[in-house]
Amino acid sequence: DAKTTQPNSMESNEEEPVHLPCNHSTISGTDYIHWYRQLPSQGPEYVIHGLTSNVNNRMASLAIAEDRKSSTLILHRATLRDAAVYYCILRDVRTGANNLFFGTGTRLTVIP
Amino acid sequence: ETGVTQSPTHLIKTRGQQVTLRCSSQSGHNTVSWYQQALGQGPQFIFQYYREEENGRGNFPPRFSGLQFPNYSSELNVNALELDDSALYLCASSLLTSGANVLTFGAGSRLTVL
Repeated sequence: DAKTTQPNSMESNEEEPVHLPCNHSTISGTDYIHWYRQLPSQGPEYVIHGLTSNVNNRMASLAIAEDRKSSTLILHRATLRDAAVYYCILRDVRTGANNLFFGTGTRLTVIP
Repeated sequence: ETGVTQSPTHLIKTRGQQVTLRCSSQSGHNTVSWYQQALGQGPQFIFQYYREEENGRGNFPPRFSGLQFPNYSSELNVNALELDDSALYLCASSLLTSGANVLTFGAGSRLTVL
């Protein structure tokens, strides 16, 4: 399975935008890019996903490079509640298998 | 709509014992997956159940087993517990379709093996 590379940690000031990068140089044409986050003492929570085009939802935006070898999760205004571990995951669109590879993710610290 | 609920939230066992963890899927979902999350690590896929049968398994030994019931709830059973089995066990449900299956996770069951 194609894997992703993320920084171990990042910091952001409250109410400022946050750009969380993810590299996936071995992505295949049938891989979706998914982002989940895990708040302290909770299970992972779905954030957003995309295939080729940039995506927006109420939580975040996902910017996908034209060659699809990298992507960026954008939180437009970080709040203290956004402090979490963020996981970038590739998921093959052809299968229904839920064997997601989470890696260690990026731990986001939001500074008041 | 109700989310994914897991029980118990915490439990302590000793080496060699057996444990059963339970999960109720989100309404409308037909697939259940189980993950193990060791401290400081990301979740690792254990297995997945669909139509009451296992249809995907990660790199876990046979002493990890499961069940899915007609109402789509599920159990994870671990026999002959080892110290390294201490972890957060996460259940996730989804609707099995091709494409971007989105998982809904429970808050987990934290198992400590002494």
